[in-house]
Amino acid sequence: GAVVSQHPSWVICKSGTSVKIECRSLDFQATTMFWYRQFPKQSLMLMATSNEGSKATYEQGVEKDKFLINHASLTLSTLTVTSAHPEDSSFYICSARPSSGLQYFGEQFFGPGTRLTVL
Amino acid sequence: GDSVTQMEGPVTLSEEAFLTINCTYTATGYPSLFWYVQYPGEGLQLLLKATKADDKGSNKGFEATYRKETTSFHLEKGSVQVSDSAVYFCAPLDTGRRALTFGSGTRLQVQP
Repeated sequence: GAVVSQHPSWVICKSGTSVKIECRSLDFQATTMFWYRQFPKQSLMLMATSNEGSKATYEQGVEKDKFLINHASLTLSTLTVTSAHPEDSSFYICSARPSSGLQYFGEQFFGPGTRLTVL
Repeated sequence: GDSVTQMEGPVTLSEEAFLTINCTYTATGYPSLFWYVQYPGEGLQLLLKATKADDKGSNKGFEATYRKETTSFHLEKGSVQVSDSAVYFCAPLDTGRRALTFGSGTRLQVQP
C-alpha cells in the first residue's frame, strides 16, 4: 500500500513551452502533497506544499507564477512549469502525506520523480 | 527553520562492514525524525523513523536512536550488503509546516 505515482517519468520540451506533471496517490487519500526539486547528487529542495481545495504554499525563492500547483482532489496534485527554460531542467519529485492512519504519523510517500529537460 | 547536517559521502565499505552515517539537526521543539533511502534509479523510500526522544527506529537491519540531548539521529547497520548501496537522507519533520527538511544525503557504496 501507500503508492504514489508520477506522470510522466521523463519529458523533453522546447524552451518557452509549458509542461504539466501529475502526482497521484494510488491507494490512499492525501490532503497534503509536496513538490520537491532535486539537482544532480544533491538533496531535495522543497518547492511548495499543495493543499487540497486551497492555494499552495510556496517556499521562499520559488516563483508561484512559474510553478503552478493545483490540488483538485484528495488523490491528485499537478505541477505545471510555465514557459520553461533550460535552467528549469531538473528532477521533480512529489510526495503525499496520508490524510488518516496513525501509523503514518508525519510520514510522506514519494513518487518516482519526473526528469524534465528543457532544450 | 529546521536544518540537517549529514556526513559527506561517498562512504565506501566492504561487505559485512559496520556502517554509521551521522546526522545532527536543529529544530524548534521535538520533531519526528526520519531516514529515507534512494536506491539507484528509484524514488525515496522510508527506511525508519522515531517520533520521540530515546525511540529507536529499525528496519532491514538498520537502526537509529532519537537522541534529544545531542540532537542526533545516527544511522547504523552491523553488517552491510552490496544491496545497501544507495543514498541515505536524514530528515526531521518540521512541526510547524509539517514538512520534511532533508539533509544533503550520504552516498553509500558497498563493495563485494
